[in-house]
Amino acid sequence: KAGVTQTPRYLIKTRGQQVTLSCSPISGHRSVSWYQQTPGQGLQFLFEYFSETQRNKGNFPGRFSGRQFSNSRSEMNVSTLELGDSALYLCASSLALGNEQFFGPGTRLTVL
Amino acid sequence: SQQGEEDPQALSIQEGENATMNCSYKTSINNLQWYRQNSGRGLVHLILIRSNEREKHSGRLRVTLDTSKKSSSLLITASRAADTASYFCAPHTGGFKTIFGAGTRLFVKA
Repeated sequence: KAGVTQTPRYLIKTRGQQVTLSCSPISGHRSVSWYQQTPGQGLQFLFEYFSETQRNKGNFPGRFSGRQFSNSRSEMNVSTLELGDSALYLCASSLALGNEQFFGPGTRLTVL
Repeated sequence: SQQGEEDPQALSIQEGENATMNCSYKTSINNLQWYRQNSGRGLVHLILIRSNEREKHSGRLRVTLDTSKKSSSLLITASRAADTASYFCAPHTGGFKTIFGAGTRLFVKA
């Protein structure tokens, strides 16, 4: 089975721009979670989707949004980028909520 | 939400030695999972232990769970340089988001 894929792998943006990151889960997995990882804050939970519905949300501003499609693929969007949004964004999929998660390689976002 | 807190924050050992990492959490759980992350990469799932299990093995990994103390430990036996990574525990309560702690950074010296 193919693993979790994330595109793009690397991204450079400037402040004020917006960005869309994509995640394709393992075939058959219906749950997708997103995390932000920075050296200072560690691994922080963004949101979790199951069957196209957001089930849980972390403590991030409204500039961070996401969605899940009927094929379980997910996207997250960050609008009005700030320097502090520079991070590794990780996506993880699982069969169902609470099951073991399989992580993608991440998207490294740099905001200049 | 449910967050695991790993201890110690960092651990440095010689190759061949055993490494033990601990995790504490606050409320009842359905299961607890351990993950490994090599520098700058995605996390890799290591093992899942359910609340009605006390011990689980996977290769050189041994995980214990004490629900009365709300704690878990991960033991890596005969460590190798390739085990150098950060290790995270993720306690999970049904319906709640999974919150990772700061992790334990393990460094295995060759």
